[in-house]
Amino acid sequence: DGGITQSPKYLFRKEGQNVTLSCEQNLNHDAMYWYRQDPGQGLRLIYYSQIVNDFQKGDIAEGYSVSREKKESFPLTVTSAQKNPTAFYLCASSRDRDNTEAFFGQGTRLTVV
Amino acid sequence: RKEVEQDPGPFNVPEGATVAFNCTYSNSASQSFFWYRQDCRKEPKLLMSVYSSGNEDGRFTAQLNRASQYISLLIRDSKLSDSATYLCVVIYNTGGFKTIFGAGTRLFVKA
Repeated sequence: DGGITQSPKYLFRKEGQNVTLSCEQNLNHDAMYWYRQDPGQGLRLIYYSQIVNDFQKGDIAEGYSVSREKKESFPLTVTSAQKNPTAFYLCASSRDRDNTEAFFGQGTRLTVV
Repeated sequence: RKEVEQDPGPFNVPEGATVAFNCTYSNSASQSFFWYRQDCRKEPKLLMSVYSSGNEDGRFTAQLNRASQYISLLIRDSKLSDSATYLCVVIYNTGGFKTIFGAGTRLFVKA
């Protein structure tokens, strides 16, 4: 079945460590997105990519980095420079060649202790 | 100004009530519009697309007003299971299509 997969579902890390969240899709979608959601809050865009080897900063890119070496994969690294990294991270993808809806992975809940 | 804005709520309504959410967008070149539903601690899922002529799906009606740049979602005869966050989504073309999510409106339906 086609879909978008995030792993792991839960992640615990010590303060000051970098951590990479995985996002893989087999929908043949061009565009991929990373969002952050804090408790009781809406989605905030971190980074997005409309094509392989290209990506743009979203509204809250500071302290994060991404890569898009393959169409299927868009990993997000939460660096030690991110001051408050504990949050729910959602990855999404969409076709981008037309204006169809985005599909989400199940999310990764990151807790920094 | 945010590209997509929603009233965060929460909206607290009794079962059976009718509730409406609005969402405004700033880019007049926006091309596609959707409503998503997000349950607590889950990922957002598509609820319905919003067409220029308006569309209805059971108790849910979505409308688009391009002149005023807003979309709306109307829920009739609210059920307890409608309790969730409703996210408005706008897609516009920046040389590739960009998807923008609103922050969402929380709805609590009470017995």
